[in-house]
Amino acid sequence: GAVVSQHPSWVICKSGTSVKIECRSLDFQATTMFWYRQFPKQSLMLMATSNEGSKATYEQGVEKDKFLINHASLTLSTLTVTSAHPEDSSFYICSAPRLAGEPDTQYFGPGTRLTVL
Amino acid sequence: QKEVEQNSGPLSVPEGAIASLNCTYSDRGSQSFFWYRQYSGKSPELIMSIYSNGDKEDGRFTAQLNKASQYVSLLIRDSQPSDSATYLCAVNRNYQLIWGAGTKLIIKP
Repeated sequence: GAVVSQHPSWVICKSGTSVKIECRSLDFQATTMFWYRQFPKQSLMLMATSNEGSKATYEQGVEKDKFLINHASLTLSTLTVTSAHPEDSSFYICSAPRLAGEPDTQYFGPGTRLTVL
Repeated sequence: QKEVEQNSGPLSVPEGAIASLNCTYSDRGSQSFFWYRQYSGKSPELIMSIYSNGDKEDGRFTAQLNKASQYVSLLIRDSQPSDSATYLCAVNRNYQLIWGAGTKLIIKP
């Protein structure tokens, strides 16, 4: 089956540093990828929709300058958390639909646990 | 009112019994509905999708949809300890998934 990978699986960083998270579709091309954030005991919150070759679409309340998204190829999207602070500590998950516009073909990456000290 | 609502639980069910998970949604125009399972520290995995009113069965899982009542449910028969997880209901809106908060299910041996 289709696989979506994320790297790193976990990261610990100091406050003020930037962290880049990669999301790759391994056996299919994804024109769209989704980035979610999940705080403990809460549901997934969609942060942004990453579009290959164009700007990402951010959800209301998500700071574009803080969460930089780049979808440079059909198999790779990156999320950079700039000037990270402890409140950015969370579980970040990406997903990609194998077929554009078909949510039930959506595959999730394993997630990245970010801890900001 | 949240777009997708679930009881957060925890829902405790004896092993071998039927677990019933419920979800309501607010957008009458929604056409696609999904149940995901999420183990602690892991990402969600799709269990069932349902598009038409009625029941859809897959192994021990049955999804039920009632669009008139804006209600979707998931039944798990012969519950196993490995079914203990958080179950997330999601509804398709404009090709994005709108998520419920999830119901934590505990299967007691």
